[in-house]
Amino acid sequence: DAKTTQPPSMDCAEGRAANLPCNHSTISGNEYVYWYRQIHSQGPQYIIHGLKNNETNEMASLIITEDRKSSTLILPHATLRDTAVYYCIVSPPYNTDKLIFGTGTRLQVFP
Amino acid sequence: DTAVSQTPKYLVTQMGNDKSIKCEQNLGHDTMYWYKQDSKKFLKIMFSYNNKELIINETVPNRFSPKSPDKAHLNLHINSLELGDSAVYFCASSPLGGLEFFGPGTRLTVL
Repeated sequence: DAKTTQPPSMDCAEGRAANLPCNHSTISGNEYVYWYRQIHSQGPQYIIHGLKNNETNEMASLIITEDRKSSTLILPHATLRDTAVYYCIVSPPYNTDKLIFGTGTRLQVFP
Repeated sequence: DTAVSQTPKYLVTQMGNDKSIKCEQNLGHDTMYWYKQDSKKFLKIMFSYNNKELIINETVPNRFSPKSPDKAHLNLHINSLELGDSAVYFCASSPLGGLEFFGPGTRLTVL
């Protein structure tokens, strides 16, 4: 079973920031938070991951609360192409085990 | 292009047939996976191979048999196909314990 909880859907206006929350209250000390997204009819795509510090890359920012029980993925300027299902996953690093995908958040970006 | 590739992209077949889906990665990764995404969009691990050796075999009927001829390939063979096998199958690969990269998926329809 997935160890994360996400809202099933969210809307965002094009050009605005999309903030996608994720709860992971049972996260272990060595587990990272990973974000993937799946655009319709494509394979999941890695976005970003972090342990406890906030992270930023060319795609998004990841804000992790100090107690690590929740995080927020931020797409700073959402575009129509960001419409996808976003998955928040917790997993230890250097783990050859599988990723456990939950139901994710369906983000709809509208014009 | 460096990527995870799968063939075929679409596969339509009759119940009872035997079919194979091929997966190749040219990323030099050690670990390869097969995931199944059902009609409700739940994405679940089926198998994981590390350097041609089976690591994970989730509760999957033994009609499903993965075969890894070398580190760059992980094929999925399915015997006696059933209606419930209809789904999108994703291959993925990762360096040991690293991020997973997914293929484009194979949509299997069993009639």
